[in-house]
Amino acid sequence: DQQVKQNSPSLSVQEGRISILNCDYTNSMFDYFLWYKKYPAEGPTFLISISSIKDKNEDGRFTVFLNKSAKHLSLHIVPSQPGDSAVYFCAAITGGGNKLTFGTGTQLKVEL
Amino acid sequence: DGGITQSPKYLFRKEGQNVTLSCEQNLNHDAMYWYRQDPGQGLRLIYYSQIVNDFQKGDIAEGYSVSREKKESFPLTVTSAQKNPTAFYLCASSRLAGDTGELFFGEGSRLTVL
Repeated sequence: DQQVKQNSPSLSVQEGRISILNCDYTNSMFDYFLWYKKYPAEGPTFLISISSIKDKNEDGRFTVFLNKSAKHLSLHIVPSQPGDSAVYFCAAITGGGNKLTFGTGTQLKVEL
Repeated sequence: DGGITQSPKYLFRKEGQNVTLSCEQNLNHDAMYWYRQDPGQGLRLIYYSQIVNDFQKGDIAEGYSVSREKKESFPLTVTSAQKNPTAFYLCASSRLAGDTGELFFGEGSRLTVL
């Protein structure tokens, strides 16, 4: 039972364009969402998060949008850079919960 | 520098052998976690610990064991009962269990069963 889903295993974008990574969830009790970035043979690093009381959070080139009615969130990267090439995981947690549930990841490749 | 150290980075094991992966953190975090990453399956939680001398099973605990005798350390033993142990293992910590701040991950340990 995959409660957090990333339906696109890979995405290819040209440098300078926008990258949009999508994530869907099924558990309506999730109230905090995070995005992690992972390079090969390294641990994931935190990128950006959003609380369910918001619908948008922005940090530099990265913006996360949350649509609670659709149980959908997306990560926008603009402009995309070659160094953004990595696997991106979305994750969710319930209020008062004690563990994150991760999606399956999307491999982003930013091409020159 | 504060962080999480996992060792070894690469490990080979024969079938039927137990192996222990080390995880040490100097972030003074209360909670620690073990995840497993397989291709196409994301990160799956094996075990987590919110406090010393206490730990809980995650989603895929069968064939694994842990201990939390010290706040800084959370070793994972992959036993011979684990049917598909070849994977990339990630240790993480957070300031408090359920802390909506982010998890901090180690660099991972890749286990290969020969």
